[in-house]
Amino acid sequence: ETGVTQTPRHLVMGMTNKKSLKCEQHLGHNAMYWYKQSAKKPLELMFVYSLEERVENNSVPSRFSPECPNSSHLFLHLHTLQPEDSALYLCASSGDWSSYEQYFGPGTRLTVT
Amino acid sequence: QKEVEQNSGPLSVPEGAIASLNCTYSDRGSQSFFWYRQYSGKSPELIMFIYSNGDKEDGRFTAQLNKASQYVSLLIRDSQPSDSATYLCAVGGTGANNLFFGTGTRLTVIP
Repeated sequence: ETGVTQTPRHLVMGMTNKKSLKCEQHLGHNAMYWYKQSAKKPLELMFVYSLEERVENNSVPSRFSPECPNSSHLFLHLHTLQPEDSALYLCASSGDWSSYEQYFGPGTRLTVT
Repeated sequence: QKEVEQNSGPLSVPEGAIASLNCTYSDRGSQSFFWYRQYSGKSPELIMFIYSNGDKEDGRFTAQLNKASQYVSLLIRDSQPSDSATYLCAVGGTGANNLFFGTGTRLTVIP
């Protein structure tokens, strides 16, 4: 595996379900990110981790819970989501959190029913 | 909220022509500027970055930055159908938590 991988690629969940998104980077980077991409909206930064420490949480609802057990892995735990949370969730990584050169994973297409 | 504005398009150009994509930003303190290409159903891919005023060329791509006018552009020479994608402009201030994206311009290159 190379680059940034994400699983699952597609996810359909009910509003009462709990699920997790997984991201893994094979680039030796120290910073990882979660973004949300909705139709006709700019990419929205949700969380930033640097060396497993969260450095940013952009007012994201608590139904989204990130976890970064090490610098190569990042999770996004989901519970009691709303239909408006349906979007493409992208993981990215960069050398460190001061570097803007981010490399994205393929994303998870999430549908909340 | 820092704003990054792009014309959503679609922008259509014939094969072999020059495609010009523009982006304006609101924060004068922005220091770094990026262009990402996103094919339909795929993730964004970094294709160019520029930090200083002027032009930066990489193959068929040229990024142009004018900080005084707060705009950055991407020129694609000899456009190919494979260049058809949405191009996202991203502008950074200080720290990667300050990277802001535009909504993207959809480019179609007509064979």
